[in-house]
Amino acid sequence: GENVEQHPSTLSVQEGDSAVIKCTYSDSASNYFPWYKQELGKGPQLIIDIRSNVGEKKDQRIAVTLNKTAKHFSLHITETQPEDSAVYFCAASRNNNDMRFGAGTRLTVKP
Amino acid sequence: GAGVSQSPSNKVTEKGKDVELRCDPISGHTALYWYRQSLGQGLEFLIYFQGNSAPDKSGLPSDRFSAERTGGSVSTLTIQRTQQEDSAVYLCASTSGVETQYFGPGTRLLVL
Repeated sequence: GENVEQHPSTLSVQEGDSAVIKCTYSDSASNYFPWYKQELGKGPQLIIDIRSNVGEKKDQRIAVTLNKTAKHFSLHITETQPEDSAVYFCAASRNNNDMRFGAGTRLTVKP
Repeated sequence: GAGVSQSPSNKVTEKGKDVELRCDPISGHTALYWYRQSLGQGLEFLIYFQGNSAPDKSGLPSDRFSAERTGGSVSTLTIQRTQQEDSAVYLCASTSGVETQYFGPGTRLLVL
């Protein structure tokens, strides 16, 4: 089955700096890669996703890149703000079935 | 529209008691997932329902855990003879199969 690894487990950045979180996956048939943000006391919320026919996707300050050959994908947050502080999870699945999640990255943005 | 809802939001129980956790998925979503999240940890897959197919129970940690999905909508996760290590947040998610999974707020279970 799919195995997703996520790094780093914790990340601290200064407000205004960029943050990058990286994930690798094992199943070459995986074709859907969402990223979730989980704030304290809440369930994970989708922030951006990418499918395997696309190499990069951007939504305002958030971007995701996918390298299918290397089987890794990354989340990039630019101009970080304190409200970006949360736990971020990557995930990988085949046709949105059997989705497997990374262990999460706790991002802290210092004002 | 309404998202995924879960109840109760918090549950405190004594070791050895049974608990039932409820999930109301987004209307029309055919697939429903249960996950467990221990404090500060990632998401542990428990069980997956897809339409009328037999559920994928491969993630259930022991036979004390079971789940049902009645009428293809509401799901109940039951933990029998609870243990302290069952303390965690139990998350439910639903999907139409085309879009991503949408999560509920979770049920925080504490076993004393």
